[in-house]
Amino acid sequence: RKEVEQDPGPFNVPEGATVAFNCTYSNSASQSFFWYRQDCRKEPKLLMSVYSSGNEDGRFTAQLNRASQYISLLIRDSKLSDSATYLCVVNRDDKIIFGKGTRLHILP
Amino acid sequence: DAGITQSPRHKVTETGTPVTLRCHQTENHRYMYWYRQDPGHGLRLIHYSYGVKDTDKGEVSDGYSVSRSKTEDFLLTLESATSSQTSVYFCATLAGDGQETQYFGPGTRLLVL
Repeated sequence: RKEVEQDPGPFNVPEGATVAFNCTYSNSASQSFFWYRQDCRKEPKLLMSVYSSGNEDGRFTAQLNRASQYISLLIRDSKLSDSATYLCVVNRDDKIIFGKGTRLHILP
Repeated sequence: DAGITQSPRHKVTETGTPVTLRCHQTENHRYMYWYRQDPGHGLRLIHYSYGVKDTDKGEVSDGYSVSRSKTEDFLLTLESATSSQTSVYFCATLAGDGQETQYFGPGTRLLVL
């Protein structure tokens, strides 16, 4: 079992819809959590950190459930420009573990 | 943006030749990483460095070596390139001291014929 698992998608979603991604991690000692975004043929870039209390940045909301060991990302009112691959990232001690990513296609 | 550059950005080489990829950062970040990214595998860590001359292996280190003689430069060497090393290689940095965000370079596309 991979330490960080995501649904690979692709998710094909009409513009304006709400889309949710989930990510699970297997090591309860994991300490910090992030969502990265990667556009086609580009490098990954930090989208947002994920806190236990949940956090929001505009149309994006991230949640962490430590008891169930899953992380979520919600995108509201999706835009064409949201089309990308979303990577779940977990830090544990000196290790940074990436999920394989979920591909999102926003359809006009 | 952590001022990370990678060179070359694209390279075509032949099996058996040595190849060196360079990562350069301008932010004085302590940690530097080399990843490869392949379809179906996501990002996989090759080697990382936690300071000058301090390096360690990642999950796919076979066939690769690294060196870090200065804070700003992290070199990845393929001693004898194989076709299985055809990939996109990303360098990343992390400041440390409680800062946990990784910043990535633009990537190097390597094709081994």
